[in-house]
Amino acid sequence: DAGVIQSPRHEVTEMGQEVTLRCKPISGHNSLFWYRQTMMRGLELLIYFNNNVPIDDSGMPEDRFSAKMPNASFSTLKIQPSEPRDSAVYFCASSLQGGDETQYFGPGTRLLVL
Amino acid sequence: SQQGEEDPQALSIQEGENATMNCSYKTSINNLQWYRQNSGRGLVHLILIRSNEREKHSGRLRVTLDTSKKSSSLLITASRAADTASYFCAYTSGTYKYIFGTGTRLKVLA
Repeated sequence: DAGVIQSPRHEVTEMGQEVTLRCKPISGHNSLFWYRQTMMRGLELLIYFNNNVPIDDSGMPEDRFSAKMPNASFSTLKIQPSEPRDSAVYFCASSLQGGDETQYFGPGTRLLVL
Repeated sequence: SQQGEEDPQALSIQEGENATMNCSYKTSINNLQWYRQNSGRGLVHLILIRSNEREKHSGRLRVTLDTSKKSSSLLITASRAADTASYFCAYTSGTYKYIFGTGTRLKVLA
């Protein structure tokens, strides 16, 4: 199994630019999660999809952040416009059913906004 | 904050020794999981313990759960250099939403 795939692995951009992070969940998993990890705040859930539908986006910091899941094998997290405080590692995770199940994490995208 | 607290924040031991890390939380839970994160990598699931369980084993890992004290511990026996990583607890009150702890950075010296 390929596991959860994320791209890019590293992204350096300038303040104000649009950033798009991509995720391919494990085949057959119907739940997908986007997390952000920083030293100050630890690991935070940004948004949760179940069967491609956003169920909980209460963790999305503000309107600059948006996420989509057009099909079961692809999701994007977009930041527009980006700000230096968005610098973090962004993880995508998937699970089989989305309840209290094991989540499988991707390798993460390390984002630096200058 | 509902974030779980882990202690110690950092732990350095010699290869072959046991490592114990603790997690405390603030709400009632449905289950609690432990994850490992190697530097620059994603989190890897280690073990899940449900609220009606008190102890669970997996290889060199032993997890305990004390719901009365709202705490859990992870014991790694006979540690190896490859166990060097950060360890996180994550708990849920019954839905998909896991609250992750602050993490313990473990360093195993060869």
